[in-house]
Amino acid sequence: NAGVMQNPRHLVRRRGQEARLRCSPMKGHSHVYWYRQLPEEGLKFMVYLQKENIIDESGMPKERFSAEFPKEGPSILRIQQVVRGDSAAYFCASSLEAAGGTDTQYFGPGTRLTVL
Amino acid sequence: DAKTTQPPSMDCAEGRAANLPCNHSTISGNEYVYWYRQIHSQGPQYIIHGLKNNETNEMASLIITEDRKSSTLILPHATLRDTAVYYCIVMNSGGSNYKLTFGKGTLLTVNP
Repeated sequence: NAGVMQNPRHLVRRRGQEARLRCSPMKGHSHVYWYRQLPEEGLKFMVYLQKENIIDESGMPKERFSAEFPKEGPSILRIQQVVRGDSAAYFCASSLEAAGGTDTQYFGPGTRLTVL
Repeated sequence: DAKTTQPPSMDCAEGRAANLPCNHSTISGNEYVYWYRQIHSQGPQYIIHGLKNNETNEMASLIITEDRKSSTLILPHATLRDTAVYYCIVMNSGGSNYKLTFGKGTLLTVNP
């Protein structure tokens, strides 16, 4: 009964490099959500994906950030040309159906990105 | 979504019940009350949710007032491992509401 898995758990990048964060949803879940938690702040929604589709990316910065959830394999959050302000914990959640009401989002352990 | 109000912090003695309140006076009829917690440096953990009836699971009980304007999360026998920030979130049922909005929550400290 594996939960949501994220890797790596910790990622260190220098300014200008790319960061790739992976999320494997719970078995049978086809809905994935990414949230970001800046230091000393609450989690903020970034993007919602279903298999091969981006449903809502309204919380994602318009530049340098992208997300995908291919038919096969994990969901990927990609940050190009990282800057120090990208340092944060990035959490992935998954749900069986579209969340809201009686469905529930289950979170992974997060990836802590540090930009030097 | 309805706004929620929680006390910023609470203390509880180990082994005693922890009662965490949440006000959501503008909640509408199709909005659920969800509770999550975040133990330091970990991902948020789902605890329980409800619409209007009281709910209980292996982790906690959720008591929702009859007018649904407030609720209480009850951890019946708090342990040191229950020290965490607890978030009360109101979420609309329906296809477009999936953005969990995490406020500041309540920092529950369980003391030995």
